[in-house]
Amino acid sequence: AQTVTQSQPEMSVQEAETVTLSCTYDTSENNYYLFWYKQPPSRQMILVIRQEAYKQQNATENRFSVNFQKAAKSFSLKISDSQLGDTAMYFCAFSPSETYKYIFGTGTRLKVLA
Amino acid sequence: SAVISQKPSRDICQRGTSLTIQCQVDSQVTMMFWYRQQPGQSLTLIATANQGSEATYESGFVIDKFPISRPNLTFSTLTVSNMSPEDSSIYLCSVKSPGQVTGELFFGEGSRLTVL
Repeated sequence: AQTVTQSQPEMSVQEAETVTLSCTYDTSENNYYLFWYKQPPSRQMILVIRQEAYKQQNATENRFSVNFQKAAKSFSLKISDSQLGDTAMYFCAFSPSETYKYIFGTGTRLKVLA
Repeated sequence: SAVISQKPSRDICQRGTSLTIQCQVDSQVTMMFWYRQQPGQSLTLIATANQGSEATYESGFVIDKFPISRPNLTFSTLTVSNMSPEDSSIYLCSVKSPGQVTGELFFGEGSRLTVL
């Protein structure tokens, strides 16, 4: 079975500091996509960053970057220069290529402190 | 991108009643997805709504409990039937980015149902 595990239910970080959220997954697939989604208190989920498994280079989107370790099946999210607006629930998600299936982790609630 | 509107945003319902959630997308999409997010938990796919055919339900979800309509390429409804307190959840409508086989999911703001 394909699973996504986020071992940190809650985290906090001081404003302007850096924080890393962890995510591991289990699959026998070789081609797949990994995502980090953000769900602010307003509830609307938005994509933060995505990574194609066939790409060795880690994805980066402004202050957000990932550390993708395919062999270890690890996909952590690093948020640099944390801002108050980063306070949200963060979900790691996995999707095999050529499918519409998404498997979500249980989420990490991040609070950025002023 | 896709903009998704869901109604109602929240509701309080009595046990045994049914409620229909509407999802409107600003562009035509082939597949629409309905997820459930129970309190403090992750998202679980309920079913995939395809225009012109019956919805495809995931294991643990049945049509009698969660009937879905998909009358056109921009609209879908999910009904939660004969509700019990265990159905208290956020229900999310989502679509995939148009033109991509696997890509970003766009979500509505969700419908928070509380069943008393």
